[in-house]
Amino acid sequence: AQTVTQSQPEMSVQEAETVTLSCTYDTSESDYYLFWYKQPPSRQMILVIRQEAYKQQNATENRFSVNFQKAAKSFSLKISDSQLGDAAMYFCAYRSYSGNTPLVFGKGTRLSVIA
Amino acid sequence: KAGVTQTPRYLIKTRGQQVTLSCSPISGHRSVSWYQQTPGQGLQFLFEYFSETQRNKGNFPGRFSGRQFSNSRSEMNVSTLELGDSALYLCASSLTQTSGVYEQYFGPGTRLTVT
Repeated sequence: AQTVTQSQPEMSVQEAETVTLSCTYDTSESDYYLFWYKQPPSRQMILVIRQEAYKQQNATENRFSVNFQKAAKSFSLKISDSQLGDAAMYFCAYRSYSGNTPLVFGKGTRLSVIA
Repeated sequence: KAGVTQTPRYLIKTRGQQVTLSCSPISGHRSVSWYQQTPGQGLQFLFEYFSETQRNKGNFPGRFSGRQFSNSRSEMNVSTLELGDSALYLCASSLTQTSGVYEQYFGPGTRLTVT
């Protein structure tokens, strides 16, 4: 079974600085998707960024980018120019390409942004 | 387009009672997944429905059940409530359950408190 590990329960960053959240996963599959979800204090979970395993190029979405290392099974999220609104729980998630298994989430990292 | 809606948003029940939670997916989405979120266990997958069929089921006791209707709306039911069932129950919908693009859109959740 696939597992997702987020080793940093909490992190903090100064406003306008850059922070990197770590995620590792374990799978025997070669085709899959990886996601980062954000859950602000209001509790609405939203998708931040998605990476297809077959793509070597790292995904980027505005200030959010990932460092996808397939061989190392690592999928970190970098937030540049951090803003107060970035404060939230961040979840890393895995989904097999076949779609036959559910989304697997890590335990999450709580990010605080300091003004 | 309206997002995923969940009703009710908050619920207080007594141990031993049963509860039904409802989820309306984004229009056109045919797949609905349910998750239980607690501080200790994080996000745990409950079940996934696609076109009224349960496609995946998490490791939860039989007291947890669900169903999906022809209009893709879904309900989950918990019978004989226990104190440990207190949690945020999240519903997520996606366009398709087949392989390929698979992005889940989450609802705001139902906060269930069992006393």
